[in-house]
Amino acid sequence: AQTVTQSQPEMSVQEAETVTLSCTYDTSESDYYLFWYKQPPSRQMILVIRQEAYKQQNATENRFSVNFQKAAKSFSLKISDSQLGDAAMYFCAYRRRSGGGADGLTFGKGTHLIIQP
Amino acid sequence: KAGVTQTPRYLIKTRGQQVTLSCSPISGHRSVSWYQQTPGQGLQFLFEYFSETQRNKGNFPGRFSGRQFSNSRSEMNVSTLELGDSALYLCASGGQTNTEAFFGQGTRLTVV
Repeated sequence: AQTVTQSQPEMSVQEAETVTLSCTYDTSESDYYLFWYKQPPSRQMILVIRQEAYKQQNATENRFSVNFQKAAKSFSLKISDSQLGDAAMYFCAYRRRSGGGADGLTFGKGTHLIIQP
Repeated sequence: KAGVTQTPRYLIKTRGQQVTLSCSPISGHRSVSWYQQTPGQGLQFLFEYFSETQRNKGNFPGRFSGRQFSNSRSEMNVSTLELGDSALYLCASGGQTNTEAFFGQGTRLTVV
């Protein structure tokens, strides 16, 4: 079974600085998706960024980018120019490509990101 | 386009009762999946429905069940509630390729 590990329960960063959240995963599959979700105090899970395992190029979405290292099974999220609105719980998630999404997502335990003004 | 809608937002039930939660996916989405979120166990996959068929189920007891209707709306039911069932229940819908999951705001269930 696949597992997702986020080793940083909490991170703190100054506004406008850059922060990197870590995620490692374990799977025997070769084709899969990785995601970062943000959960603000409103509790709604918001998709931040998606990476497809067969793509070597790291995904980027505005101030958010990932460092995907497939051999190391590592998937970190970098947030540049941190803003107060980035404060939230961040979850790393995995889903295998085959199965048409029936498997559901496997989530890490989350990292609580604090933005210091 | 309206997002995923979950009702009710908050619910308080007594041990032993049963509860039904509802989820309306994004228009055109045919997949609905359910997750339980607790402080201790984190986010755990409950089950996934696609075109009215349950395709997969997580490691939960049979007290947890669900169904999906022809309009893709889904309900989940928990019977004989236990204190440990207190959680945030999240519903997500998936698009044509069902690659990404789009979440609703959740239903906060408290069992007393």
